[in-house]
Amino acid sequence: EAGVTQSPTHLIKTRGQQATLRCSPISGHTSVYWYQQALGLGLQFLLWYDEGEERNRGNFPPRFSGRQFPNYSSELNVNALELEDSALYLCASSRWTGEPETQYFGPGTRLLVL
Amino acid sequence: SQQGEEDPQALSIQEGENATMNCSYKTSINNLQWYRQNSGRGLVHLILIRSNEREKHSGRLRVTLDTSKKSSSLLITASRAADTASYFCATAGGHRGYALNFGKGTSLLVTP
Repeated sequence: EAGVTQSPTHLIKTRGQQATLRCSPISGHTSVYWYQQALGLGLQFLLWYDEGEERNRGNFPPRFSGRQFPNYSSELNVNALELEDSALYLCASSRWTGEPETQYFGPGTRLLVL
Repeated sequence: SQQGEEDPQALSIQEGENATMNCSYKTSINNLQWYRQNSGRGLVHLILIRSNEREKHSGRLRVTLDTSKKSSSLLITASRAADTASYFCATAGGHRGYALNFGKGTSLLVTP
């Protein structure tokens, strides 16, 4: 069974640009989560999607947005990039059972904003 | 904001020794999960323990959960050099619902 995949592995952008990160969940998983791991700030929850809808978002500004497609893959968009957006962005997926379940993580996309 | 707090922040042991990491959290939870991360790469799921469970085992791993003290511990027995990594606890439930709330992690170094 294939795990969670993310693309690209690395992304270099300049301040003010937009970045798009992609995630494909494990087959059968309908929930996709996005997390940011910035140096010194730890792992922070960004967004949670299930069945195409945004279910919850963390304490991030609206320029962080995303969507989930009918095949349950997901995109994270970061607009008006700032230097502090440089981080490892991790995507995770889980089954939907009505209770929080194990989240399986992808390898991450490392975003560098210059 | 971080929910969990791991202790210690860093741990250095020799191969064959046991490693114990602790995690404390602040709010009620549905479950607590432990993850391993090697050199800033993706997270590997180790074990999930639900709020109505007190102890779980998986291979060389033993996890305990004390909901009255809002704390958990991860024990790795007979450590190997390959166990060198950062270990994170994460809680689910509470105001974040299904999203995980991570601690800052324990950095484990196992030397041959």
